[in-house]
Amino acid sequence: DAGITQSPRYKITETGRQVTLMCHQTWSHSYMFWYRQDLGHGLRLIYYSAAADITDKGEVPDGYVVSRSKTENFPLTLESATRSQTSVYFCASSESMVGTQYFGPGTRLTVL
Amino acid sequence: GQQVMQIPQYQHVQEGEDFTTYCNSSTTLSNIQWYKQRPGGHPVFLIQLVKSGEVKKQKRLTFQFGEAKKNSSLHITATQTTDVGTYFCAALGSSNTGKLIFGQGTTLQVKP
Repeated sequence: DAGITQSPRYKITETGRQVTLMCHQTWSHSYMFWYRQDLGHGLRLIYYSAAADITDKGEVPDGYVVSRSKTENFPLTLESATRSQTSVYFCASSESMVGTQYFGPGTRLTVL
Repeated sequence: GQQVMQIPQYQHVQEGEDFTTYCNSSTTLSNIQWYKQRPGGHPVFLIQLVKSGEVKKQKRLTFQFGEAKKNSSLHITATQTTDVGTYFCAALGSSNTGKLIFGQGTTLQVKP
C-alpha cells in the first residue's frame, strides 16, 4: 500500500522555468492539499481540491497552478519559478476538509 | 483571517525533562489537531481534540483543549531522544473558512 507519494523528491531549477510537482494517493481520498514549508512559517496552504475538477485557493496561491483530472493525482505547477519559491512542498490527502491529513514525503525544490 | 499562534518556537531540554508547547487562537476553535514532524520527515497526525476541556493521553503525551476552545497544549513527560522533532497544531475556526490552519510549530531538541 503506497499511500501518498510525491515526485520528484528533490528538484533544482532555474528562475523562469516551469516546474511540475506530482502527488499521487492510493486511498481514494476526496480531498487533497498542497503546502509549502519554510523556516519560521510552518505549513502554508497553497491550493486544495475537494474532488476531481474542483480546486480552490489557499493562503499563498500566487505563482502556482493546480489541476485534478483524476481523484488520485493532484499536480502542482510553478509556471515561472522564482527564487522565493524555494521551499519544501508537501502534498496531503484527507477523507474530509477537516479530517486527519496524511502527508506525502515532500519535495525539496531549489530555484536558482 | 484566523491565526493560530504556537509557542515556543524552539525548546531545548535535557533528556528526562518535561516539555510543553502551546497553541493559541483569538477566535473559538471547532477542533484542533496535533502533528509531529521528525527531522527530514513529513508531518504525521497524532490526535484530534473536539470537546471543550478535553484531555487525551498517548503514553507520555498529554493533549488538552481549553475550556473556551481558544487554546490547546501538548505536554510530554520525561522526554526521550525519540521525541525530537517539530510539533504542529492545526485548527479549524468555528467561523469556518473550512480550512485547517497550521501553527508555526515548536521544534524540540533533546540532549541525551
